[in-house]
Order: sequence, then C-alpha cells, then structure tokens
Amino acid sequence: AQKITQTQPGMFVQEKEAVTLDCTYDTSDPSYGLFWYKQPSSGEMIFLIYQGSYDQQNATEGRYSLNFQKARKSANLVISASQLGDSAMYFCAMRVQSTQGGSEKLVFGKGMKLTVNP
Amino acid sequence: DADVTQTPRNRITKTGKRIMLECSQTKGHDRMYWYRQDPGLGLRLIYYSFDVKDINKGEISDGYSVSRQAQAKFSLSLESAIPNQTALYFCATSDNTRGHETQYFGPGTRLLVL
Repeated sequence: AQKITQTQPGMFVQEKEAVTLDCTYDTSDPSYGLFWYKQPSSGEMIFLIYQGSYDQQNATEGRYSLNFQKARKSANLVISASQLGDSAMYFCAMRVQSTQGGSEKLVFGKGMKLTVNP
Repeated sequence: DADVTQTPRNRITKTGKRIMLECSQTKGHDRMYWYRQDPGLGLRLIYYSFDVKDINKGEISDGYSVSRQAQAKFSLSLESAIPNQTALYFCATSDNTRGHETQYFGPGTRLLVL
C-alpha cells in the first residue's frame, strides 16, 4: 500500500539555522512523485517542492531542498536559513496511481509542526 | 483574485442538515479534488474529477456526494451531516505545467456539525 510517514510531531529551530523535516514513503510503483506542502496558521496549503522518482538530482527551490534517498525511501525537506515566517505545519505527499488506471492522486502524511524561534 | 475559491469559509450546521460546499477556479484546470483535514490525520481524499463527465470516489467518500457543474466548479454535498464530519475541507485543482502534476489548494472551509 502507498503510505507516507512523518514521525516528527514538532520541531523547534532558531532563526537563521537550517532544519531538516523527515519523510519516509512506501510504494511498489517504480514511477512516483514526492511533494512538500506548507500550511501556515491561516490554513491554506502552499506547494513548496517536488521530486520525481527518476530525477537524477535532488530538487531545490530557493531556500528549500529535498534530500532524496531512494534506496532508503526517504524524502526529507531541508530549509536553509530559517525565517520566522517558516513557522507552520509541513506535509509530505506522494503522487500515486489510482486504481482506475491512467489517473493520479496525492497521498498525504500526517504533517509536522515547525516553530522558528527568534 | 484567488485562483481557487471556496464558499463558505466557515459553516456551522446541525446534525441531519444537508449542506453544500462550493469550489470555483479560474486556472482552467480540468482536474479538481475535495479533501478533508482532521487534526493528526493529514489530508484525505473524498472525491476527484478529471473532467466534467468524470467523477471518482476517493479514500473516504461515504456520506458525501459531489457535482461537477462546469470545468470551473466542483461542489461537495453532505446529504445528512453528522458530527464526525466536522473538519477542514479543501478543494484543489491540478495541472502538469511544471512537468509533473501539482495540486493548488483553495483556502479551505471550516465545517462544524453540532
């Protein structure tokens, strides 16, 4: 079964430091995609970064990078130089093939809360 | 203006009432989704639609129905609301312009069923 696991319920980091948010996944599909979303206290879901299973390099988007270790089935999010505005819930998600065939949907982890301290 | 809008943003209703949550998008995407978010459980898929004539059940469709009135509109109905349907509901659309499918979420609707 396809599954996303985020085991850290919460983390604290000092402003300007780097932080790593853990995500492990389980799938038997050789082709898949991994996403990270940010949910601030206002509630909206904001797309951060994507990693494809066949991508040769780790994805990067500004201060966000994805540490993709395929053999370990992990896709950890690294935030460099944390800012106070990074305080939010963070969700890891995986694109999976639906049983209908030819269609896709996202499976989400339970999320983890990051707090950036000044 | 937001690309994906949801109405209402907040709703309180009573057990047994029928309610409808609306979603509209100006992105021109064919694919639309409804999720619910419960504390500690992340997001779970209720229904999804890949075009106006295509409706599919998600992980937790029981107690819900949907209608895709047009490419831009996808509504979620609770025929007879019950307290365990209290949750944050998200509508999303998706495209493939980044070379992979990316979902874009609306602001969410907070529903409380008394």
